[in-house]
Amino acid sequence: DIQMTQSPSTLSASVGDRVTITCRASQSISSWLAWYQQKPGKAPKLLIYKASSLESGVPSRFSGSGSGTEFTLTISSLQPDDFATYYCQQYNSYFTFGGGTKVEIK
Amino acid sequence: QVQLVQSGAEVKKPGASVKVSCKVSGYTLTELSMHWVRQAPGKGLEWMGGFDPEDGETIYAQKFQGRVTMTEDTSTDTAYMELSSLRSEDTAVYYCATGTGRGAFDIWGQGTMVTVSS
Repeated sequence: DIQMTQSPSTLSASVGDRVTITCRASQSISSWLAWYQQKPGKAPKLLIYKASSLESGVPSRFSGSGSGTEFTLTISSLQPDDFATYYCQQYNSYFTFGGGTKVEIK
Repeated sequence: QVQLVQSGAEVKKPGASVKVSCKVSGYTLTELSMHWVRQAPGKGLEWMGGFDPEDGETIYAQKFQGRVTMTEDTSTDTAYMELSSLRSEDTAVYYCATGTGRGAFDIWGQGTMVTVSS
């Protein structure tokens, strides 16, 4: 099974900050990686698919990069609506989620 | 657009089974590959299984094999997930989720809370 490791698990940041979250796969997954945002009590929302493709309707301050085993999600300028938990997910071989990164207000 | 509407919250005793439904609208179930993801309170997302269109079969995460059954009723465009031999650790929100061509899950149900308690 492919394991996904996210870091950090918690991130404290201020509005306007540039934020980067990292996701590592235990083996190569090419570019078959997605990023989701989840707010309390809500279903996850797809932000990025195929490592760097922005889902329709998602603000352009979100971007994804990487391939193989190392990936990043970047929020260029954190907005109040962005405080949430973020998950990566591989879909190269079945599906596996990372442990999540909670972005909280500093 | 595609919408997934799940059945309501359930409370079950240890050892019982639960069956959660997920009704599709905007597409037909045969056009989609439905998956199930769960989330225990305060924990992360866990993929349970789903339909593999390459094999034409339903695949289950190893952790749930033998305890979970995922079925579909194409006449009503409703997917089902049944989990048996429930234990307290199965207390979680259960989501159905699917993709409309991106590979990842771009459509999610609203979630169904399943509580296992004696």
